[in-house]
Amino acid sequence: DAGITQSPRHKVTETGTPVTLRCHQTENHRYMYWYRQDPGHGLRLIHYSYGVKDTDKGEVSDGYSVSRSKTEDFLLTLESATSSQTSVYFCAIRGLGNTDTQYFGPGTRLTVL
Amino acid sequence: GQNIDQPTEMTATEGAIVQINCTYQTSGFNGLFWYQQHAGEAPTFLSYNVLDGLEEKGRFSSFLSRSKGYSYLLLKELQMKDSASYLCAVNSNSGYALNFGKGTSLLVTP
Repeated sequence: DAGITQSPRHKVTETGTPVTLRCHQTENHRYMYWYRQDPGHGLRLIHYSYGVKDTDKGEVSDGYSVSRSKTEDFLLTLESATSSQTSVYFCAIRGLGNTDTQYFGPGTRLTVL
Repeated sequence: GQNIDQPTEMTATEGAIVQINCTYQTSGFNGLFWYQQHAGEAPTFLSYNVLDGLEEKGRFSSFLSRSKGYSYLLLKELQMKDSASYLCAVNSNSGYALNFGKGTSLLVTP
């Protein structure tokens, strides 16, 4: 258990509204990641962070922004949600040690109507 | 970029052995991962290979051939609870992020 929580776990919103998803970790991991998972596409990287205030884009970053003001929290914001952003969102952390093993949070199921 | 391929679906019988293959093409390589994901749940880490050869962990084993860009996950003595998706992922050189295949959905039947 890497001590990762995500909130909310489920959310239904309407097109055009802003949405923020939160990922919280308790073990001081430096690297954190946001992925989305869709049928037929697998897990795709949205953004990642390599420290407080240090973030970078992933494969599918358009329409998303992130912030990391504290080590333990990594926020994903959809400024104006669209139906194409309906997905399951997973946060992950890079574990300690020599491998790059990632450990995932429980996920957030987001529906944009 | 990276391209990772694995079969979409497989079916196997309880008690049998199943091999799930993964091929990849990558400009850089720092390791290959296998994850298990049950329906409605988060992926959980199964195995990591960075050198050629077989890594065994209980009923699960993972093999890597870097020269061939090939890995497989071997599941022995299949149990009903092994019905899940199995995700192959390769380490990216960018921020240690992982690039995932689309996953193989394994159904174990009685």
